Amino acid sequence: SQTIHQWPATLVQPVGSPLSLECTVEGTSNPNLYWYRQAAGRGLQLLFYSVGIGQISSEVPQNLSASRPQDRQFILSSKKLLLSDSGFYLCAWITLKLNTEAFFGQGTRLTVV
Amino acid sequence: GENVEQHPSTLSVQEGDSAVIKCTYSDSASNYFPWYKQELGKGPQLIIDIRSNVGEKKDQRIAVTLNKTAKHFSLHITETQPEDSAVYFCAASKGDTGRRALTFGSGTRLQVQP
Repeated sequence: SQTIHQWPATLVQPVGSPLSLECTVEGTSNPNLYWYRQAAGRGLQLLFYSVGIGQISSEVPQNLSASRPQDRQFILSSKKLLLSDSGFYLCAWITLKLNTEAFFGQGTRLTVV
Repeated sequence: GENVEQHPSTLSVQEGDSAVIKCTYSDSASNYFPWYKQELGKGPQLIIDIRSNVGEKKDQRIAVTLNKTAKHFSLHITETQPEDSAVYFCAASKGDTGRRALTFGSGTRLQVQP
């Protein structure tokens, strides 16, 4: 079956520290992968998407970066976190078969202190 | 590009009442409209969807209606229960890849009061 894993579930990091969030997909090949951020009480802000290994598109200028080192792995990173990076981060795999369907990871609650 | 607007942003109903969430879209080429439910601390999950060749779809207590002419679609939840409390997102798609794969609405926080 097709599943998506995201970790960690929660993270508390000091300002200026690095960040690495990982997302992996099982049961498919060449998935289209996405990173979203959700501020408290707000909608889904698209940060990055990737249609293949090494292919990253950035949607908004920010303190974050993304990488796709393997077909089913998508990583969200930062060299130095800011307070404003706090939020709920979601990895998603969007399929383009009969219907366009998004499968979301469990999310990571990041608190920068 | 596509723009999806969702209303209301928050909705509070009494248990047993009905809840309606409305979305409008801008791109007439969009042909698929899913709804996602996000429970606290979790990722959104698909709960129901509708394609542009259908006007209404129902699954137990939830239903979705689509008006292609007016470019709006709605989620209807009947006999609401406390476990329906969550954030609901509508979305629109026309089968594109990349950033336009799915355009989400801004979300509605539904609170069902017991």
